[in-house]
This record gives sequence, structure tokens and C-alpha cells, in this order.
Amino acid sequence: DVKVTQSSRYLVKRTGEKVFLECVQDMDHENMFWYRQDPGLGLRLIYFSYDVKMKEKGDIPEGYSVSREKKERFSLILESASTNQTSMYLCASLRNRIANTGELFFGEGSRLTVL
Amino acid sequence: AQSVTQPDIHITVSEGASLELRCNYSYGATPYLFWYVQSPGQGLQLLLKYFSGDTLVQGIKGFEAEFKRSQSSFNLRKPSVHWSDAAEYFCAVGSRSNDYKLSFGAGTTVTVRA
Repeated sequence: DVKVTQSSRYLVKRTGEKVFLECVQDMDHENMFWYRQDPGLGLRLIYFSYDVKMKEKGDIPEGYSVSREKKERFSLILESASTNQTSMYLCASLRNRIANTGELFFGEGSRLTVL
Repeated sequence: AQSVTQPDIHITVSEGASLELRCNYSYGATPYLFWYVQSPGQGLQLLLKYFSGDTLVQGIKGFEAEFKRSQSSFNLRKPSVHWSDAAEYFCAVGSRSNDYKLSFGAGTTVTVRA
């Protein structure tokens, strides 16, 4: 069974702290994504990666960075957390391209609260 | 750029009744279209997708959706709702010029009453 695992389900951090959100997929997918989910706004793409060490900005990359050193792992980094980054963060992976399969596989989410 | 509108924020339906969730998209050409479902505390799961061909698409859990180009719509339907269908539903659109990016709607929360 395919699996995307987000290591932290719930995190509480203080303003200014550095935050790491980790995501691991076991499907050997080329593409991985970080989305932010907020009520009334749906999912917004922060960053995605189509290969190891490759990354592309999504719609809302400000205040975030990412790292993909291994194919199976994609990390989201908040260099200095702020209260407006309190949100649910969803990681997803995709085999090949949307045109081929179209199916994103999602993790269960990491709920981050910044105080 | 593509975008998606889900006009209904919240829908309440009785168990056994039919359900229709609306989705309108904005895109210059024929898009890729998707419906995802998110059960409480879970990640999103693909219900169905439209790429081309037959405009009526069947998905998992008894759901179907119909692509209507003239109305720029991709509405999701289920003839008889079960209590386990209570969840949040997201419509998404993909671009044929960008093979990696999906744009999601704001979501519709479905409540099922006994």
C-alpha cells in the first residue's frame, strides 16, 4: 500500500523558532509537494520538487524553504516561524506527471501552531 | 492561470438522499479535473479524475462527476449518501501546460444527518 508519512502530526512552536517538517514516501515517486491548508482557502502550493536537489516555488513560497537530498524525503523549513504560519501542512507525492496518472498521494498532515 | 471555485462552503444532507457538489473552473483549454475527499484527521484521497473522452466519470465509493465544457463545470454526484461520506471535498484543476501543478478549490464540507 502506498504511503506518505509526515513525522509530526502536531507541533507547537514559538515565534522566531526554526521549524522542520519532514515527509517521507515509499513509492519511489519523482515528484513531491508541500501544501498549506487553511479554512476557506483550500490547499495552496508552497513548493514542489521534481527530482533530488531540484525545487520549484509554488504560489506562496515566502517564509518557507525546502530540502530534498534523497528521493524519498522532502522537508519543509520555516526559518523563523511567525503566527501567520499557523496552519495545516500537507505533503504529497506524484508518480511521473499529472498527464500520466494524475493522482497525488497525501500524508495525514502536520498541524503547526505558532505562538 | 487556472483556478477553481466551489460555491458551497457547507452542505447538509440526509442519509440516503442524493448529493451534488458544484465545481467551476477557469482555464483556457481543456483541463485535467479531479475530485479529492478528506475525511476527518486524514489526508486527501482521489475520488475520480477527468482527462479526456467520456464526460461522465465514475469514481470510487459510488461517486460520479460530469464535465460540462459549456458551463466550465465538473460537478460531483452521489445518488444515495452514507454516513461515512461526511467529509470535506475538494475540486482541483491541472494544466496541460504544466505537468506538476494542481490548483485546488476552497472545499465543501458535507454533513450527513441520520
